[in-house]
Amino acid sequence: GAVVSQHPSWVICKSGTSVKIECRSLDFQATTMFWYRQFPKQSLMLMATSNEGSKATYEQGVEKDKFLINHASLTLSTLTVTSAHPEDSSFYICSACTGQSSYNEQFFGPGTRLTVL
Amino acid sequence: GNSVTQMEGPVTLSEEAFLTINCTYTATGYPSLFWYVQYPGEGLQLLLKATKADDKGSNKGFEATYRKETTSFHLEKGSVQVSDSAVYFCALNQGGSEKLVFGKGTKLTVNP
Repeated sequence: GAVVSQHPSWVICKSGTSVKIECRSLDFQATTMFWYRQFPKQSLMLMATSNEGSKATYEQGVEKDKFLINHASLTLSTLTVTSAHPEDSSFYICSACTGQSSYNEQFFGPGTRLTVL
Repeated sequence: GNSVTQMEGPVTLSEEAFLTINCTYTATGYPSLFWYVQYPGEGLQLLLKATKADDKGSNKGFEATYRKETTSFHLEKGSVQVSDSAVYFCALNQGGSEKLVFGKGTKLTVNP
């Protein structure tokens, strides 16, 4: 149980285009989903926290107009990188909480590797 | 604020060697502590956890004990295998919060 999927697993796009990444909780309803960015050989940087039906809360320094997050249902959150540029190339990982764990366990997706040419 | 400090890698060991990856934390109150593992090209998987002082988390031969007196949660394994090669992240969340604070990760390579 508690499986999180991401789609696509990798994407290559041209500079200036927008890319949408989906994060789904397959066998549970996720009260909260998180989006992380991971640079090579570095830790995960939390970008934003999203709750179903409400606006995402972005971490300091993350451009909310560039990284659009939509949490349309309890099983789906999307991250859209708008007008992507090469510096946006990274590994994007989502996670989801069931809200039923006493220690708020997060279940992670397998990640999406974005390469912007 | 809350923070996690873990030993910097990379760590390279021979198969069957003993592994220790140090992790210390700074937090107010009583956080829950986690070790996550990331295999090449994959997302993070929870390896083990401890939610209160003196708890020992264990999984797949790995162990870590929540030491409140030293604010530590060191990861250990008595005999590593090649398949343990991965990046290991120590993390915490504060009671009542869903946000995780991660250490920088330690890359482990186990050679046959």
